[in-house]
Amino acid sequence: EDQVTQSPEALRLQEGESSSLNCSYTVSGLRGLFWYRQDPGKGPEFLFTLYSAGEEKEKERLKATLTKKESFLHITAPKPEDSATYLCAVLRGSNYKLTFGKGTLLTVNP
Amino acid sequence: DAGVIQSPRHEVTEMGQEVTLRCKPISGHNSLFWYRQTMMRGLELLIYFNNNVPIDDSGMPEDRFSAKMPNASFSTLKIQPSEPRDSAVYFCASSSATGRETQYFGPGTRLLVL
Repeated sequence: EDQVTQSPEALRLQEGESSSLNCSYTVSGLRGLFWYRQDPGKGPEFLFTLYSAGEEKEKERLKATLTKKESFLHITAPKPEDSATYLCAVLRGSNYKLTFGKGTLLTVNP
Repeated sequence: DAGVIQSPRHEVTEMGQEVTLRCKPISGHNSLFWYRQTMMRGLELLIYFNNNVPIDDSGMPEDRFSAKMPNASFSTLKIQPSEPRDSAVYFCASSSATGRETQYFGPGTRLLVL
């Protein structure tokens, strides 16, 4: 069974304090790993898709990386508006079913 | 372009009542997913449609839940009769092609069953 574990469950940062969120996964035949951002009361908003180990993608202050067992979401010099829950999900090669982690609640204090 | 549209955004009902949630996917997307999100279990897939046909409903909790997709631009998720344990946020998502592409989520319907 596909498993996705995100850590930490919650992370509190000061504005400008860089850090990383972790997503470890167990899935055979990974087709893609997805990062979403979810604000309170809203649906998950797509950020990145990573397809193979070694791949990296960047968007503003966020950079996602992928290895064979885990993915990291690096946040550089975060701002309060980066506060949200960040969700990781995996898609197996022959499947269409996203398996989500429980998320990391990020709070950035001014 | 408009994203995935869901209605209502909030629903409060009493146990035993019928609840109908609605979804309009992104135009041109032919895969549609219904999810449920709770604190305990996170996001869980309930049912997946491709080209308006239900492909996988193994996540539907029980017979009280049913979903339809009468055309490419509309889907419903119905709960009858509703129970307090059905209280959750229900999301609809859509994607292009076979459903193995990126899924885009709607704003969700927050359901409270008293």
